[in-house]
Amino acid sequence: DQQVKQNSPSLSVQEGRISILNCDYTNSMFDYFLWYKKYPAEGPTFLISISSIKDKNEDGRFTVFLNKSAKHLSLHIVPSQPGDSAVYFCAAKSEGTDKLIFGTGTRLQVFP
Amino acid sequence: EADIYQTPRYLVIGTGKKITLECSQTMGHDKMYWYQQDPGMELHLIHYSYGVNSTEKGDLSSESTVSRIRTEHFPLTLESARPSHTSQYLCASSLGWGNQPQHFGDGTRLSIL
Repeated sequence: DQQVKQNSPSLSVQEGRISILNCDYTNSMFDYFLWYKKYPAEGPTFLISISSIKDKNEDGRFTVFLNKSAKHLSLHIVPSQPGDSAVYFCAAKSEGTDKLIFGTGTRLQVFP
Repeated sequence: EADIYQTPRYLVIGTGKKITLECSQTMGHDKMYWYQQDPGMELHLIHYSYGVNSTEKGDLSSESTVSRIRTEHFPLTLESARPSHTSQYLCASSLGWGNQPQHFGDGTRLSIL
């Protein structure tokens, strides 16, 4: 049973526009959420995280929103750039553990 | 920027061989992890360590074993490789307190013939 779901396998966005990547989760015990970016032949790179006590966290062009009642997480990238083209993974962990549960990823393509 | 290194990056080897995948980090992180990822799938935790002489199995059952004799080193070993072990193996590390992100190496892509 997949606890973290990324239902969109791919997303295509024009350069300069907003990219919105979505993630849903089922475990109400999750207290920390992360987004990673992965280029081909490289390991995942940490992007941004959010604690369950917050509903928004911002870092430059990247903003993560958390809606606990809906068990929904989203990553906004504004403005999108061609270098943002990669696979984005959502991950979550429960309180008292370090085990990350990952989604299957969304492939973002930013075209000129 | 995270400093975590995995070798080899790619390995193609025959069935029955003993394999050791190396992982080293220079950040002094207490916690280290091994994940397995098949193409198009999520990462699955197979082993983790909270410090020297600490090793635990993750959520995904694996025939591999790990050791943690030094803080910076967390090798993974397969005693007798099989085609079912073909996958990508990713090593990660994190600080030992609070909610901290895990930082990943570039992985080893393993193919067993």
